Amino acid sequence: DAGVIQSPRHEVTEMGQEVTLRCKPISGHNSLFWYRQTMMRGLELLIYFNNNVPIDDSGMPEDRFSAKMPNASFSTLKIQPSEPRDSAVYFCASNDRVRGYTFGSGTRLTVV
Amino acid sequence: GENVEQHPSTLSVQEGDSAVIKCTYSDSASNYFPWYKQELGKGPQLIIDIRSNVGEKKDQRIAVTLNKTAKHFSLHITETQPEDSAVYFCAASTNNAGNMLTFGGGTRLMVKP
Repeated sequence: DAGVIQSPRHEVTEMGQEVTLRCKPISGHNSLFWYRQTMMRGLELLIYFNNNVPIDDSGMPEDRFSAKMPNASFSTLKIQPSEPRDSAVYFCASNDRVRGYTFGSGTRLTVV
Repeated sequence: GENVEQHPSTLSVQEGDSAVIKCTYSDSASNYFPWYKQELGKGPQLIIDIRSNVGEKKDQRIAVTLNKTAKHFSLHITETQPEDSAVYFCAASTNNAGNMLTFGGGTRLMVKP
């Protein structure tokens, strides 16, 4: 089991550009979560999916953020247009409803 | 909704000493309490969890205790080693399967050799 796979590991982009973060959950896990981690705010839940359906997106900061899960093995988090305050580490996690989440290694996003 | 408070935010101990991290939660319906360890540059990893029908659970040098009446739970690490240095997060969920975790703010543990 390769675990939760996120790409890219690092992303540096200019303000105003579109950024797409990718996640492949563990096979068989039916819940997927996107988190943002910063020093100031800690771990913030952005959105989560059950069986590919978005359940709660109340944590998405604003309309510049969008997330999709077209199938059980893939999800994207898109920021358009990106801003310097979006700089953070973005984590994807999946869950099999038996134990706690399994997190990916994260994507460190820097918007300059 | 659920609110999880974690203390202390930083903890420094000498190698071989014990470390204790404490969390409180607000929702009496919470019934699942995992702990995560996050090393530098990595995602949080589940290290131990406890459900509300159990008061204590141990796994080698780590243990977790739960007091449902007081709504608090704690992580205990004995015989600390430098590789225990990391950020530790507690979490709580009202779903016994661990969905929709609410995380504490984290504790940075430093074990000095």
